Amino acid sequence: EVQLVESGGGLVKPGGSLRLSCAASGFTFSSYSMNWVRQAPGKGLEWVSSISTGSSSIYYTDSVKGRFTISRDNAKNSLFLQMDSLRAEDTAVYYCARAAAAYWYFALWGRGTLVTVSS
Amino acid sequence: EIVMTQSPASLSVSPGERATLSCRASQSVSSNLAWFQQKPGQAPRLLLYGASTRATGIPARFSGSGSGTEFTLTISSLQSEDFAVFYCQQYNAWPLAFGGGTKVEIK
Repeated sequence: EVQLVESGGGLVKPGGSLRLSCAASGFTFSSYSMNWVRQAPGKGLEWVSSISTGSSSIYYTDSVKGRFTISRDNAKNSLFLQMDSLRAEDTAVYYCARAAAAYWYFALWGRGTLVTVSS
Repeated sequence: EIVMTQSPASLSVSPGERATLSCRASQSVSSNLAWFQQKPGQAPRLLLYGASTRATGIPARFSGSGSGTEFTLTISSLQSEDFAVFYCQQYNAWPLAFGGGTKVEIK
């Protein structure tokens, strides 16, 4: 079955760190660019970060630049998001999403993992 | 950066009726526009890409049109399972961007 499964979410204090993981299965992970998209409670979707197949191209939304780091391990079919200096406004469900071949729209989504930043 | 604006924010439609949702880009995105459907408690699902191409398994009652800055998602005859929030997304330029969403509710 083609799927993405996120893990690593939880409750963290402001200024803390968290590392999200996304396990891919059912497709050739190394052939697809990958992304993180988040959704604050009751709000819309917000693109967070993207990484190309070989990690040569990496992009971030301005609000997370310098605090979040996206990475991938093609040998382990895994995507990661290291989140440092977390703020209350980072509270959201974080979705792992696979891009389409050659285009940056989100063709496959995981079920998401909730990150709550609160003291 | 490109700003995506969806209208209306919410729409009340009776089952069997047509729904028309709009998405506007602050600058041209060519045809690099996708539409997603999200039901409560679920992840988004890709409906359309390239402004008008249905994703695998998407019923023909979902159609898209437009290019440049103006786009439309039409649901020709709403079924009970179609009531949800719909988002557009441009992938023509960085940063990638979503619209704010349109909630389609049962009238």
